[in-house]
Amino acid sequence: GAVVSQHPSWVICKSGTSVKIECRSLDFQATTMFWYRQFPKQSLMLMATSNEGSKATYEQGVEKDKFLINHASLTLSTLTVTSAHPEDSSFYICSARLGGLGTEAFFGQGTRLTVV
Amino acid sequence: DAKTTQPPSMDCAEGRAANLPCNHSTISGNEYVYWYRQIHSQGPQYIIHGLKNNETNEMASLIITEDRKSSTLILPHATLRDTAVYYCIVRVWSNQGGKLIFGQGTELSVKP
Repeated sequence: GAVVSQHPSWVICKSGTSVKIECRSLDFQATTMFWYRQFPKQSLMLMATSNEGSKATYEQGVEKDKFLINHASLTLSTLTVTSAHPEDSSFYICSARLGGLGTEAFFGQGTRLTVV
Repeated sequence: DAKTTQPPSMDCAEGRAANLPCNHSTISGNEYVYWYRQIHSQGPQYIIHGLKNNETNEMASLIITEDRKSSTLILPHATLRDTAVYYCIVRVWSNQGGKLIFGQGTELSVKP
């Protein structure tokens, strides 16, 4: 299957700093990528939809100024958590879809963010 | 948006078939049923999807009822490595080309 890679796998940062997470589709082009967040023992929560060359679409309740998404190329989307706080500590996961009706999405391995 | 209902947890003996049910009674005609699983602290893994017909691949089989209101994922010979949370998802159609909205899933424990 198609490969989606996230970097870094884990990161620890100080409160008030910003952290950038990369999501790459390694062997296919992805016009649309999705960003999720997952707290312990909870399901994945969709944060935003990232479209190449245009602004991301955020789900209700997700602060677009805090979670900056850039999808500058067909193989790379980035999520920047700005002015991170301990409550932003979570597991962040991206996915990319091959496109077309009925095709599956492929997920990255996730990034564990800990804000101290 | 069609919602799904799954039992929160299930046990299965190693080597036996694991049958994971999912209800999606409000599914509409052009919505697909997808199954993903998530092993602890990893990203979800695609398993299988279908629209109307039963589907089979190297990982699992998907049985969809004729009225499409429910489905069953079958792992024919469960192994310890199949222990994971299994998500049944109905594809949400939007201008963004179909988001996946995850429910709570079924935590499958495969026991020796």
